[in-house]
Amino acid sequence: NAGVTQTPKFRILKIGQSMTLQCAQDMNHNYMYWYRQDPGMGLKLIYYSVGAGITDKGEVPNGYNVSRSTTEDFPLRLELAAPSQTSVYFCASRGTGAHTEAFFGQGTRLTVV
Amino acid sequence: AQSVTQLDSHVSVSEGTPVLLRCNYSSSYSPSLFWYVQHPNKGLQLLLKYTSAATLVKGINGFEAEFKKSETSFHLTKPSAHMSDAAEYFCVVSGYSGTYKYIFGTGTRLKVLA
Repeated sequence: NAGVTQTPKFRILKIGQSMTLQCAQDMNHNYMYWYRQDPGMGLKLIYYSVGAGITDKGEVPNGYNVSRSTTEDFPLRLELAAPSQTSVYFCASRGTGAHTEAFFGQGTRLTVV
Repeated sequence: AQSVTQLDSHVSVSEGTPVLLRCNYSSSYSPSLFWYVQHPNKGLQLLLKYTSAATLVKGINGFEAEFKKSETSFHLTKPSAHMSDAAEYFCVVSGYSGTYKYIFGTGTRLKVLA
């Protein structure tokens, strides 16, 4: 059981380039999330989805886009990368139940130069 | 609205001594509370969670946390620190407010001295 899988693990982008961070889960979870982690700041929610075809903004959505065409996949798109988007990105998913925890991928370390 | 405050950004302890990582929360709803650990350059691993079943929660690797509603606290403890406990620890609150989100504290970096 793979859980939550993120690709790539590392990436260097030039300013103005675009890329898609991939996230897939095999637990049939409805909820999926994208977070970014910056030193001393904890994790901030970028976007989330409550099911296929339904997405919504989190705390820090500017500069990002998402889609959710299937239950399994939740890609995060960066358009016109900026140095402020240098961060570690985590994808997570959540199953049903009032008190269930989030399951996290291993992260993608992105550097914009 | 929900929020989490981790009261210490860095904690240093000697190996074999107790660990205390402090967390206060704010929630308009009945909260679920979690502690996650992140070792250097790794993902996040769940240590333990509070789900209203019991106020003292035991987790993995000898960690435990006590939910105190009157103090709005969920402090993480361990009786005896091990070198392998050196990591960053996150306190997280969640609850249903139309949807489920996880709100993270800013983290506490635990250093264990030999």
